[in-house]
Amino acid sequence: NAGVTQTPKFQVLKTGQSMTLQCAQDMNHEYMSWYRQDPGMGLRLIHYSVGAGITDQGEVPNGYNVSRSTTEDFPLRLLSAAPSQTSVYFCASSSTADSYEQYFGPGTRLTVT
Amino acid sequence: GNSVTQMEGPVTLSEEAFLTINCTYTATGYPSLFWYVQYPGEGLQLLLKATKADDKGSNKGFEATYRKETTSFHLEKGSVQVSDSAVYFCALRTSYGKLTFGQGTILTVHP
Repeated sequence: NAGVTQTPKFQVLKTGQSMTLQCAQDMNHEYMSWYRQDPGMGLRLIHYSVGAGITDQGEVPNGYNVSRSTTEDFPLRLLSAAPSQTSVYFCASSSTADSYEQYFGPGTRLTVT
Repeated sequence: GNSVTQMEGPVTLSEEAFLTINCTYTATGYPSLFWYVQYPGEGLQLLLKATKADDKGSNKGFEATYRKETTSFHLEKGSVQVSDSAVYFCALRTSYGKLTFGQGTILTVHP
């Protein structure tokens, strides 16, 4: 049982490049979400999904796309990276949207130059 | 909208000292309240929670009480250890799944 896994751990992009941050969970959780963590601002919700085929926007969705084709995977796509997207990205999952405990992955540190 | 405010950090303590990290919130409805902890290089882990007013969450010697009258959820521990050094986040949830986090408080405990 690996829990929530994220790849890559570190990534450097140039402005305008695109990439996908991968997130997978092996706990058969319905609910998955992406957060970004910036210094002095805590974590902010980017997108979330309550089940395969269902996604919705969080607090800061601009510049990011998501899809949920399977229960296990919830990739986050940056279409055209900008320096403002330099951050640490965390994926999280929980059994259902109503579950109190969310399980977080180890994070991806992204730098956009 | 919802918001969470934590005390400014960083906090530096000696081992066995008493810890308080203040957290206040603004929310519509009746939120559930959480403390998450992030150890160096890791993701966040749920430390404790409280789902209604006057509930006390506790885990690993940490405690926090849901105070609706003061909209607070302060984290306390009677005797901290070096292994408690981490970043602590207060958070609330009103809508299903959507957590609103405070800015985090860095705690460093010296031997």
